[in-house]
Formats: sequence, C-alpha cells, structure tokens
Amino acid sequence: NAGVTQTPKFQVLKTGQSMTLQCAQDMNHEYMSWYRQDPGMGLRLIHYSVGAGITDQGEVPNGYNVSRSTTEDFPLRLLSAAPSQTSVYFCASSYQWRGGEAFFGQGTRLTVV
Amino acid sequence: SQELEQSPQSLIVQEGKNLTINCTSSKTLYGLYWYKQKYGEGLIFLMMLQKGGEEKSHEKITAKLDEKKQQSSLHITASQPSHAGIYLCGAVMNRDDKIIFGKGTRLHILP
Repeated sequence: NAGVTQTPKFQVLKTGQSMTLQCAQDMNHEYMSWYRQDPGMGLRLIHYSVGAGITDQGEVPNGYNVSRSTTEDFPLRLLSAAPSQTSVYFCASSYQWRGGEAFFGQGTRLTVV
Repeated sequence: SQELEQSPQSLIVQEGKNLTINCTSSKTLYGLYWYKQKYGEGLIFLMMLQKGGEEKSHEKITAKLDEKKQQSSLHITASQPSHAGIYLCGAVMNRDDKIIFGKGTRLHILP
C-alpha cells in the first residue's frame, strides 16, 4: 500500500516559473489537502478538497491553484513562482475529516530563486 | 494557525523526565489530532480525540481533551531520545471541514 505519494521530493524554480506538485493516494480517501510548512509557522492549509470536483481555499491560497478531477489525485499548481513560496509542501488525505487520522506524504521541498 | 495555540514553542528536557505540551483553541474542537514530525521528515499520526474528557495513551505518550473540548494536552512520561522532534496539534473546529494546525512544539531530549 503506497499511501500518499508526493512528487517531486525536491525542486528548484526560478522566479516567475510555473510548476505542478503532484499528490496521489491509493486509499480511496475523499478528503485531501495541501499544506505548507515554514520555520516557526507550523502547517498552514493552502487548499483542500472534500471529494472529486470539490475544492476550497484554506488559510494561504494566494498564488496556488488546485483541481480534483479524480478521487486519487490532487495536484497543486504554482502559477508564477515567487521566493515567498519557498517552503516544504505536504499533501494529506483522510477517509473523512472526522473519521480518523490524516495520512501525510513525505513532502516536497521547494526553493524559488 | 493562530486559532490554535501550542505551548511551549520549544522544550528541552533531560532524558527520563516527564513533559507536557498544550494545545488551546478559542472555539469548540470537533476533532483534535496529535502528530509527531522528525526533523526534515513527514508527519506521523499519534492520536485523535473527539469526545470531551477523552484520554488516549500509546506507549509512554498520553493525550487528553478537556471537558469543554477547547484544550488538549500531550504528556510524555520518562522521555527518551526517540521522543525528540516537532509535535503538532491539528483540529477541526465547529462544523467546518478543514483541519488546521498549530505552530508546533520543538522537543529536544538531552542525554
């Protein structure tokens, strides 16, 4: 069982470039979310989805887009990368938000220069 | 999130000592999660609490949710070097379907 898989693990971007962080889960979870983790800031919610075709904004959505065309995948798009988006990004999934633990991917370390 | 306050931000304890980390919300918590993160790695689920007064234990770690469901504590008994890391509390507030997290507590264990 792969769980939550994030790719890539590391990425360096130039300011203004765009890219997509991939997240896939094989547990048939309805709820998926993206967080960013910065030193001293804990985890901050970027976007989340409660099912295929349904997404909503979290605490820090600016500069990011998401879509959820399938239950398995929840990609995060950076439209025009900025140095302020340098962070570690985590994807998480759970069967339902109240139903149990959220499973996390191993993270993507993104540096924008 | 500032809706969820963790304290202390950092903690250094001697191996073998007990310690407590707190997580406080101004809103009623519908679900409270504790996670541990090794430096530079992903998050490991520890426990989830949902009912007021609920208490769960796993090995030497005990978590409690108060009766008002606005505060949780994580207690480690006889700390070991393997307990070192960042402890994060996450919560679902009111009937919202978002899980938000506190800023974390960095725990260092001195040999």
